[in-house]
Amino acid sequence: DAGVIQSPRHEVTEMGQEVTLRCKPISGHNSLFWYRQTMMRGLELLIYFNNNVPIDDSGMPEDRFSAKMPNASFSTLKIQPSEPRDSAVYFCASSFKTWPGASTDTQYFGPGTRLTVL
Amino acid sequence: KNQVEQSPQSLIILEGKNCTLQCNYTVSPFSNLRWYKQDTGRGPVSLTIMTFSENTKSNGRYTATLDADTKQSSLHITASQLSDSASYICVVSALTGTASKLTFGTGTRLQVTL
Repeated sequence: DAGVIQSPRHEVTEMGQEVTLRCKPISGHNSLFWYRQTMMRGLELLIYFNNNVPIDDSGMPEDRFSAKMPNASFSTLKIQPSEPRDSAVYFCASSFKTWPGASTDTQYFGPGTRLTVL
Repeated sequence: KNQVEQSPQSLIILEGKNCTLQCNYTVSPFSNLRWYKQDTGRGPVSLTIMTFSENTKSNGRYTATLDADTKQSSLHITASQLSDSASYICVVSALTGTASKLTFGTGTRLQVTL
């Protein structure tokens, strides 16, 4: 298995531009998570999906952030318009069991997308 | 307010030595606690997951302990190797009804040297 796949690995954009991050979870997994990591705030859960349905988006910082999961093998995190404070590493993770009932299930993280907003 | 505090912030040890990382939390109602290892430039990898009823769990040279009464956890690394150099993140889950909230520590950066 290739693991969780994220693209692009690096993204540099200018303030005000739209940014779309992509994620392909591990085949057969039923939950998908988007995280953000910065030096100042550490790791933060932004949103998670069970069976392609958004369950908890309380971690999404602002309306500029949106996430979709049109099918079991693809998800996007979009920032529009982007701002310099959005610069961070964004991780996607997936797990076999759905959350939160099976919250002891292992989450598998992708390699992350390093976003720099100038 | 739910909080997870890790100590020390950073640590340097010689290869072959043991070390212990600490995680103190004020998360309620407690569901489980995870330790992750994150190599530089990579995503976190799960080391252990412990529920309320578990007080020790091992994964190779990594042993995690949990004291739910004092709300403390530790991660002990035995016979450290250069490849153990990484950040170690403690994450505590609170489960309320159908909602699960994760609270993350800021991590301990471990460097193992020759």
